[in-house]
Amino acid sequence: GAVVSQHPSRVICKSGTSVKIECRSLDFQATTMFWYRQFPKKSLMLMATSNEGSKATYEQGVEKDKFLINHASLTLSTLTVTSAHPEDSSFYICSARGLAGDSETQYFGPGTRLLVL
Amino acid sequence: GQNIDQPTEMTATEGAIVQINCTYQTSGFNGLFWYQQHAGEAPTFLSYNVLDGLEEKGRFSSFLSRSKGYSYLLLKELQMKDSASYLCASMDSNYQLIWGAGTKLIIKP
Repeated sequence: GAVVSQHPSRVICKSGTSVKIECRSLDFQATTMFWYRQFPKKSLMLMATSNEGSKATYEQGVEKDKFLINHASLTLSTLTVTSAHPEDSSFYICSARGLAGDSETQYFGPGTRLLVL
Repeated sequence: GQNIDQPTEMTATEGAIVQINCTYQTSGFNGLFWYQQHAGEAPTFLSYNVLDGLEEKGRFSSFLSRSKGYSYLLLKELQMKDSASYLCASMDSNYQLIWGAGTKLIIKP
């Protein structure tokens, strides 16, 4: 149980385009989803927290107009990187927390590696 | 401020035991998590402690002392596949995870 999927696993795009990443909880309802980014050999950096049906809460320094988050249902959240630039290249990982076993544990998706050319 | 401290890197021998320590200072406390992260992959959940004491799960055990703001992850009978980064995270009063930088564990034959 507690499986989280993420799609796509890898994406290469041109500078200026937008990229959408989907995060799904497959076997439980995720009341809260989190979006992280991680640079090579660095720790996880929380970008935003989203609760189903409400606006995401962004961490300081994260542009909400650039990283659009939609948590439309209890099993799906999307992150859209708008007008991507090479410095947005990173490993983006979502996690979900909700009605699976203990409700405090975050379960991670497999991550999306974004490369902006 | 909120702070999680864990060693940057540790080396151990296959078949041996290793203990990875973590100290934490967070605004409130709702539990201590350990995750394993292999290079290039997302973290996977290992353990969650909210009460003092030792929780054993196969070859892995996790210990918590709330009064000391201290936890450790104990790995027994080390295997080469245990080479990974081990992330300690404390959940604060807002149920947010505060992450440590991770401990890179290198297993040598």
